[in-house]
Amino acid sequence: EVVLTQSPGTLSLSPGDSVTLSCRSSQSFSVNYFAWYQQKPGQAPRLLIYGASSRATGVPDRFSGSGSGTDFTLTISRLEPEDFAVYYCQQFGSAPWTFGQGTKVEIK
Amino acid sequence: QVQLQQRGAGRLKPSETLSLTCAVYGGSFSGYYWSWIRQTPGKGLEWIGESNHVGGTRYNPSLESRVTISVDASRSQFSLRLSFVTAADMAVYYCARQLVGANNPFDYWGQGTMVTVSS
Repeated sequence: EVVLTQSPGTLSLSPGDSVTLSCRSSQSFSVNYFAWYQQKPGQAPRLLIYGASSRATGVPDRFSGSGSGTDFTLTISRLEPEDFAVYYCQQFGSAPWTFGQGTKVEIK
Repeated sequence: QVQLQQRGAGRLKPSETLSLTCAVYGGSFSGYYWSWIRQTPGKGLEWIGESNHVGGTRYNPSLESRVTISVDASRSQFSLRLSFVTAADMAVYYCARQLVGANNPFDYWGQGTMVTVSS
């Protein structure tokens, strides 16, 4: 099973800050088999980014993804109040599909 | 607008069988994989398994011996059965959709069902 390790666990930031979240895989993948999700309390995860840098429908362009091999990143430019949430990475290149443990972006 | 609506019992006793159904509204049922995913504070998000629209399934090896995912394409719905539940199966269970083909993530999710296991 592929293990995805996200860092850091928690980030305390202010609106307007920019942030880069990291996800490291135990196995090398094409970025095409990788996605990022956002989850707010009491809600299901919401797809943000998939593939190299494809944003899901309705996702603002302040969200961007990159990476290759075993290291992938999600960058959020100019945090808005609604961006404070937990972010998960996920791989769908090798079954069983697996998720990272999440990075919480909280308001400082 | 695609919607996945979950229903099913959220309170079980140890050794009982968990049964959840996810109804799909507003989109095609064919051409997708239909998955179940669960979330716990300790283990995070865990993919349980998937089925295509004609019943071809794939399961997470960690749960395979206890899991059955079935589809009813005529009703655009799919179901999860997890047998012999224990406290370790307490989680929020989600259904989700994944387009068939390479490099396709889970683009729509159900609202989630909190499942508790207690005698």
